[in-house]
Amino acid sequence: EVRLVESGGSSVQPGGSLRLSCAASGFTFSSYSMSWVRQAPGKGLEWVSYISGGGDTTYYADSVKGRFTISGDSAKKSLSLQMNSLRDEDTAVYYCVRVASGSFRYFDYWGLGTLVIVSS
Amino acid sequence: DIQMTQSPSSLSASVGDRVTISCRASQSVYSYLSWYQQKPGKAPKLLIHAASALEVGVPPRFSGSGFGTDFTLTISSLQPEDFATYFCQQSYSAWTFGQGTKVEI
Repeated sequence: EVRLVESGGSSVQPGGSLRLSCAASGFTFSSYSMSWVRQAPGKGLEWVSYISGGGDTTYYADSVKGRFTISGDSAKKSLSLQMNSLRDEDTAVYYCVRVASGSFRYFDYWGLGTLVIVSS
Repeated sequence: DIQMTQSPSSLSASVGDRVTISCRASQSVYSYLSWYQQKPGKAPKLLIHAASALEVGVPPRFSGSGFGTDFTLTISSLQPEDFATYFCQQSYSAWTFGQGTKVEI
């Protein structure tokens, strides 16, 4: 059974930093690309970042480029998101998602999410 | 960036109704279109990928259609557990979601 469990969410002041983690199980982590998706309270879904299975390719949404860094550790079967220079608008539930294999790149499994609150 | 626009933003329906949700892309996404269902306080759940491919375990009352810029999610006979918010998503160029359609009683 595929499981994705996020951790690391908390309350932080604007300009601060936070590191989110996602523990993956039930599949060969290195064989899949992964992403982070966020959802502000009462709002829609926003893709944040992507990393390929080998870790050699990463993409970021314009809204977080230069501030967030995605990384993966195949040995630990773990995905991370380092978030720096946090802003009020980064407040959201952050979901760790698996990117389905094949060309369509949809998100086939989601974690339960971890809440990040950026507020003074 | 490719923008995704869903309509309507919300709708009221009854058990047994046929429900149709539309999703339009700002440029062609071919068949790189997925649909997700989200219930309050829960993570989204994948329903359909490649515009019309039903995920394993998803009831056949759900169906998807379309190609290019115009897509549709249809629930043939609404059930109580289907009251939720539905999102479309394109994965042709990066990933963007529609704003969501809330299906309520």
